[in-house]
Amino acid sequence: EPEVTQTPSHQVTQMGQEVILRCVPISNHLYFYWYRQILGQKVEFLVSFYNNEISEKSEIFDDQFSVERPDGSNFTLKIRSTKLEDSAMYFCASSRRQGAYGYTFGSGTRLTVV
Amino acid sequence: SQQGEEDPQALSIQEGENATMNCSYKTSINNLQWYRQNSGRGLVHLILIRSNEREKHSGRLRVTLDTSKKSSSLLITASRAADTASYFCATDAQAGKSTFGDGTTLTVKP
Repeated sequence: EPEVTQTPSHQVTQMGQEVILRCVPISNHLYFYWYRQILGQKVEFLVSFYNNEISEKSEIFDDQFSVERPDGSNFTLKIRSTKLEDSAMYFCASSRRQGAYGYTFGSGTRLTVV
Repeated sequence: SQQGEEDPQALSIQEGENATMNCSYKTSINNLQWYRQNSGRGLVHLILIRSNEREKHSGRLRVTLDTSKKSSSLLITASRAADTASYFCATDAQAGKSTFGDGTTLTVKP
């Protein structure tokens, strides 16, 4: 079964530092997403990405966040200057068609900002 | 209440029993999905039901959707200890932007 792969599984960073979370979506998928889950809270949508541009983003996805598909396989989420409240599990997801068949999520990266 | 609310918040049953979880939402949707999450792990997509469908089965899972009541239920039959996890519904009112509920924590006792 194809998987969405996320690295690293756990990252600890100092407040104010930049972090890049990496994802390898399923190879024939065209739509890519980032979600996050603060400990004990709901999974929240951050951003969707298609055809090399952002198609939708939430209020959470402010100027500190950016996404990129640097090559044909990776999809990254960058947080420029991390805050304590950015500590969360970040999930990458991909889909072949938008909203038609559901989404395949990765195992997540647990980001801890200290 | 918010889009995609599950109830109960927690459910504890014996192995072999059935588990039913409910999800309510507020806006019109394109589809509704159910996911499982084991403690501290990723989200596993279980089943997607489209707004024009009323019932869907997958193995021991049965999902119903009542768009007039804006609600869905997930039934797990003949539960196993390995079914212990949190279960979330997520709605797509806008394609690609799923709204998740708070989840139901299911404990299946051996």
